[in-house]
Amino acid sequence: TQLLEQSPQFLSIQEGENLTVYCNSSSVFSSLQWYRQEPGEGPVLLVTVVTGGEVKKLKRLTFQFGDARKDSSLHITAAQPGDTGLYLCAGAAGANNLFFGTGTRLTVIP
Amino acid sequence: DSGVTQTPKHLITATGQRVTLRCSPRSGDLSVYWYQQSLDQGLQFLIQYYNGEERAKGNILERFSAQQFPDLHSELNLSSLELGDSALYFCASSVGIGVPGELFFGEGSRLTVL
Repeated sequence: TQLLEQSPQFLSIQEGENLTVYCNSSSVFSSLQWYRQEPGEGPVLLVTVVTGGEVKKLKRLTFQFGDARKDSSLHITAAQPGDTGLYLCAGAAGANNLFFGTGTRLTVIP
Repeated sequence: DSGVTQTPKHLITATGQRVTLRCSPRSGDLSVYWYQQSLDQGLQFLIQYYNGEERAKGNILERFSAQQFPDLHSELNLSSLELGDSALYFCASSVGIGVPGELFFGEGSRLTVL
């Protein structure tokens, strides 16, 4: 079982601050996805990164896939209360398996 | 609304009992995945089906079993339940068989074992 460690596990910041969440593994993944999960709901896909070194931007969110395809980061600029949630990275290994990280619980205080 | 339907949303039962969780995938999706989530942590992959056939197995206990029916809905059976089985169980579906396709998750079934 591929292990994806996310850090920090919990993060509480003020509205307007920037933050970075990390997703690390000793395994190589063919692709990596980031999901956000809100209370009472299932995870929702934010982005998929496929190429080592790839950077994708979605408005205030910037995702990066490590050159060796073992790690990824999520950077949020000027966080807003609506960004509050559980952020999960998920690595694809093989054709059918998607392994989820340990999760980062983000709280943005107005 | 992801289009994935899970029932029941909440279930409370006793140790030693057996329960069945049901999942209807999005229309047109052939793959169904089951995940277990404990205490707002990451999701543990249990099992995947594609068009009725088991395609991948994760950390699924022998007390657990699943199947996907011809109409593509899936059921996860949990037997001889223990306190530690209390968790959120998510079903997800995708169009094809491989990743990195997007997984669409249901709202989950919260199981409480007393």
